[in-house]
Amino acid sequence: QSVLTQPPSASGTPGQRVTISCSGSSSNIGRNYVYWYRQLPGTAPKVLIYRNNQRPSRVPDRFSGSKSGTSASLAISGLRSEDEADYFCAVWDDSLSGVVFGGGTSLTV
Amino acid sequence: QVQLVQSGAEVKKPGASVKVSCKASGYTFTMYGISWVRQAPGQGLEWMGWISVYNGNTNYAQKLQGRVTMTTDTSTSTAYMDLRSLRSDDTAVYYCAREVSGLHGEFDFWGQGTLVTVSS
Repeated sequence: QSVLTQPPSASGTPGQRVTISCSGSSSNIGRNYVYWYRQLPGTAPKVLIYRNNQRPSRVPDRFSGSKSGTSASLAISGLRSEDEADYFCAVWDDSLSGVVFGGGTSLTV
Repeated sequence: QVQLVQSGAEVKKPGASVKVSCKASGYTFTMYGISWVRQAPGQGLEWMGWISVYNGNTNYAQKLQGRVTMTTDTSTSTAYMDLRSLRSDDTAVYYCAREVSGLHGEFDFWGQGTLVTVSS
């Protein structure tokens, strides 16, 4: 049971907009930065969104992150087949004194 | 360019220890921390702990306290993760990740992963 709750799966058709949620608590999302990582099969994760809503320069602006209270969301617009991957949220938890990950969401396009 | 290159796959028996290395290049090693994250087959990501390369301070996940040790060798820009008393549920791909100093959870570069299989 992960400290952060994500839906196990999400799906959409090419061109659509999809949102992946990440629900936490006051000891993690409520007071710390949220990060989103994308993992393609057989490869290491890569950062997609950092510090709640910032994108590395290599990540297209189709990807956006937001945070409100104890929840965060990753939105992907203009869905493409290459967006099929596993997506994980991550945040520091003050109570556990460690980084916690969501269980991951497998996106199907 | 920044690279983290990990050591090769390992097969260990229950009760044994494993030491995974992570050689960094392309940046000043002491200016970033290193975290270790593992992923059991078909499962999600699990943070194992962090080491400050600058001063050697560590912070381990509560679940692994007493079984894991993280170290660095600044002369070779290499980080190490030592896991003892291995059990079958330690079978996983182990990743090292560069962590932006002061921002726990911000892993901007990752190693390629090392598969550790624990089996009798």
